[in-house]
Amino acid sequence: QKEVEQNSGPLSVPEGAIASLNCTYSDRGSQSFFWYRQYSGKSPELIMFIYSNGDKEDGRFTAQLNKASQYVSLLIRDSQPSDSATYLCAVNKGYGQNFVFGPGTRLSVLP
Amino acid sequence: DTGVSQNPRHKITKRGQNVTFRCDPISEHNRLYWYRQTLGQGPEFLTYFQNEAQLEKSRLLSDRFSAERPKGSFSTLEIQRTEQGDSAMYLCASSLGAGSLYEQYFGPGTRLTVT
Repeated sequence: QKEVEQNSGPLSVPEGAIASLNCTYSDRGSQSFFWYRQYSGKSPELIMFIYSNGDKEDGRFTAQLNKASQYVSLLIRDSQPSDSATYLCAVNKGYGQNFVFGPGTRLSVLP
Repeated sequence: DTGVSQNPRHKITKRGQNVTFRCDPISEHNRLYWYRQTLGQGPEFLTYFQNEAQLEKSRLLSDRFSAERPKGSFSTLEIQRTEQGDSAMYLCASSLGAGSLYEQYFGPGTRLTVT
């Protein structure tokens, strides 16, 4: 079992819809969770992070964390074509540990 | 611009040659990370520094790879005797601290092509 898993996609949604991106992780001791957006040929860009169970909202983005189910998700409301990118889930297992990245989910927002 | 910078942005080299990449982190960040990313995959951890100390190297990192951060500021990653399998994007990231609450910020990357 890989440490961090994501559906590779592509996930296609129409413009204005909600895009839902999912990530599961294997280490129950993981402490913090990060979502990065990566456009083709570019480096990852931090979107948001979450540490506590529940929801965290930032503009059109909402991160959801369920540590009991070892599941973290990212919702993008009112999706725009400019949101078309690969979304990377990263997990930090604690102090002194490193990020472990999932393979990413490719999102395509259709005009 | 006070973000993470990397040089060069692109490098084409012949198999067997040595290459060196540079990373300048965000100035107040004491942690610096190197990752490698190939097409369709997430970044793969290579090594990281806390100030000038190299604290961990990935088991996947062969002896041909070496990294330094001599004064706790910029870092270099050298690959000796390059192989075609080394072709990838090499990413540098930095963070303010070592705890789990500190997010990492990435530089633009160096794309290496080994012919």
